[in-house]
Formats: sequence, C-alpha cells, structure tokens
Amino acid sequence: AQRVTQPEKLLSVFKGAPVELKCNYSYSGSPELFWYVQYSRQRLQLLLRHISRESIKGFTADLNKGETSFHLKKPFAQEEDSAMYYCALSPNSGYSTLTFGKGTMLLVSP
Amino acid sequence: KAGVTQTPRYLIKTRGQQVTLSCSPISGHRSVSWYQQTPGQGLQFLFEYFSETQRNKGNFPGRFSGRQFSNSRSEMNVSTLELGDSALYLCASSLAPEAYEQYFGPGTRLTVT
Repeated sequence: AQRVTQPEKLLSVFKGAPVELKCNYSYSGSPELFWYVQYSRQRLQLLLRHISRESIKGFTADLNKGETSFHLKKPFAQEEDSAMYYCALSPNSGYSTLTFGKGTMLLVSP
Repeated sequence: KAGVTQTPRYLIKTRGQQVTLSCSPISGHRSVSWYQQTPGQGLQFLFEYFSETQRNKGNFPGRFSGRQFSNSRSEMNVSTLELGDSALYLCASSLAPEAYEQYFGPGTRLTVT
C-alpha cells in the first residue's frame, strides 16, 4: 500500500530564512509526486509536480528515489508563503487517485 | 471560468440519517474525485468517477457511495451516518483521469450529532 509521510506538523521560520518541508513516501512502483498548498481561506491547489522540474513561487522539489523522498525547498521564505502544504502521491496508472500526507503548516514570521 | 462548486457548504445530521453531497466540476472537466478530510486521518481518497463510471474507490465502508451524471456532475451519499463521518468532504475535478492537475472545491462540512 502506498503511504506519504510528512514528519513535521508545523514549521516556523523567519522571513528570508531557507525552508525545507520534508516528505517521504512508500510505493512499490514509480509514482507521480506532487505538492499541494492551501492558503488561509483558499482552496487546496497544486503547487508543483516532480515531473515538471520547475520552480513555482521560488519553490523546488527534487524526487530522490533512493531515499524515497520529495522534499520541498525555498531558499528565502516570504510571509506570503505561510500556508498548509501537502505532499501527495499518485500511482502511475492514473493521476486522479491521490494519497496525501497529513500536511505541514508553514509559518513565516516577519 | 467558474471553479468547482459544492453544495451544501455546511450540513448537520443526526446519527443514523443519510446525506447526499453534490459537486459540479469545472466546465469541460470529466473526471471527479472525492476526498474526506479529518483532523486525525487527514485527506483520504473516497472515489473517482469518469464518464459516469467509478474507476477507483478508497478504503471506505459500503455506506459511502457515489455517482456521476452525464453532465459530469457528481454526488456522494453516506447512509446510516456515524459520528466518525463528521468531516470536510472535498471534491476535485480534472479534464480526464490522466490530467495531472486536480482542481479542488471549497468542500462540504458535515457534522454528525
């Protein structure tokens, strides 16, 4: 069975500090990995996916198959990054079935 | 383009009752998925529908069911409600199952007393 683990419930940093939100997964095949974000009073939305290898709002995430990790990083946190971040996995047979981690709340203080 | 809409937004039911939640996907989206979100279990996949057919179902009891109509709108039903069914129910739509981005609705907050 697939599983996504986000070890930190809360990550608190100061503006300008680097951020790393951890995500580890277990899946027997080659999954698709995603990061979703939910800002206060907004809907859950896709932030980035591992295949695109792009930087969104300064965030990047690298899939490490050896360590089965997909950590989200940003070199300099901004106050507007404060939100709930969810790591999610989809089996390569269909993207609509997402297994989510329990989320990490990122708080960026001025 | 209007986003995913869910009705009702809030619902209070009593144990033993049944409930039906509705989801209207973004225009042109044909795939709809449902998720249950609780503080203890987080976001858990319920079902996925495409072209009026259930493609996948999560690990939930048979009291949870759903369907999709020809216009891609979807409903989910929970029968014989239990206190543990209190949760935020999220619907997400995508163009098709292989489309990687899912667009989430605001959710329906169900409280079972």
